[in-house]
Amino acid sequence: AQSVSQHNHHVILSEAASLELGCNYSYGGTVNLFWYVQYPGQHLQLLLKYFSGDPLVKGIKGFEAEFIKSKFSFNLRKPSVQWSDTAEYFCAVNTLYSGAGSYQLTFGKGTKLSVIP
Amino acid sequence: DVKVTQSSRYLVKRTGEKVFLECVQDMDHENMFWYRQDPGLGLRLIYFSYDVKMKEKGDIPEGYSVSREKKERFSLILESASTNQTSMYLCASSSVYYSYEQYFGPGTRLTVT
Repeated sequence: AQSVSQHNHHVILSEAASLELGCNYSYGGTVNLFWYVQYPGQHLQLLLKYFSGDPLVKGIKGFEAEFIKSKFSFNLRKPSVQWSDTAEYFCAVNTLYSGAGSYQLTFGKGTKLSVIP
Repeated sequence: DVKVTQSSRYLVKRTGEKVFLECVQDMDHENMFWYRQDPGLGLRLIYFSYDVKMKEKGDIPEGYSVSREKKERFSLILESASTNQTSMYLCASSSVYYSYEQYFGPGTRLTVT
C-alpha cells in the first residue's frame, strides 16, 4: 500500500519568510498529487494538484508545488507567507490502478503552519 | 460549486449508543468517502462508496458501517459508540470523470462520553 510522509509536524515562521513543506510518497507507479489546506474552523479545501505535464504547479493564494518523480516528492512552497496562511496542510496521493481502489486518496499526517505577525 | 453537507457540526453521545452521521452532496458524484481526522494522524479512510449500495472498506473500518441507498447520501454508522471513536469525521465526494479530486464537508466533531 502507498504511504505519504510529511516531514514537519509543526512549522513556525514569521510573516514574509519563505515556506517549503516536504512531502514524499512511496508508490512507484503513476500518481496524482494534491495539497489540501484546512484553515482554523474551516473545511478541507484543495490548494493545488498535479496530474501530468509541467511538474511545477501553481495553486491558489500564491502557493506552488514541484513534482520530482525521481525523488518521489511533491514539496509545497510559497515565497512569502502571511499571517492568514496559518493552517494545517495535507499532502495526498491518488494512485491510478484499476478497480474500486483507484478512487482512494492517501493522506499524509499533516503539517501545522503558524505564521507570526 | 460543489457542496458537501454533514448533518451535525457537533455531536455528543454516550458509550454504547448507536450513532448515525449523515452526508449529502449536490453534484451527482459517484464516489463518497468517510474519514476520521485525529491530531497527529492526519486523515484516515474508514469506508468509501463508488456507487449506490456499493461500499469498500478503508484503512480503519472496525466499529463502523455505512449505508448508501441514494447517490447523493452516504451515512456512517457507529453500531455501539466507544470513547476511542471520539474524533472529527469528514465526508467527501468525487467524480470519476473529473480528476478524482475530492470535495470535503465541514466535518462532525463527535464526542463519546
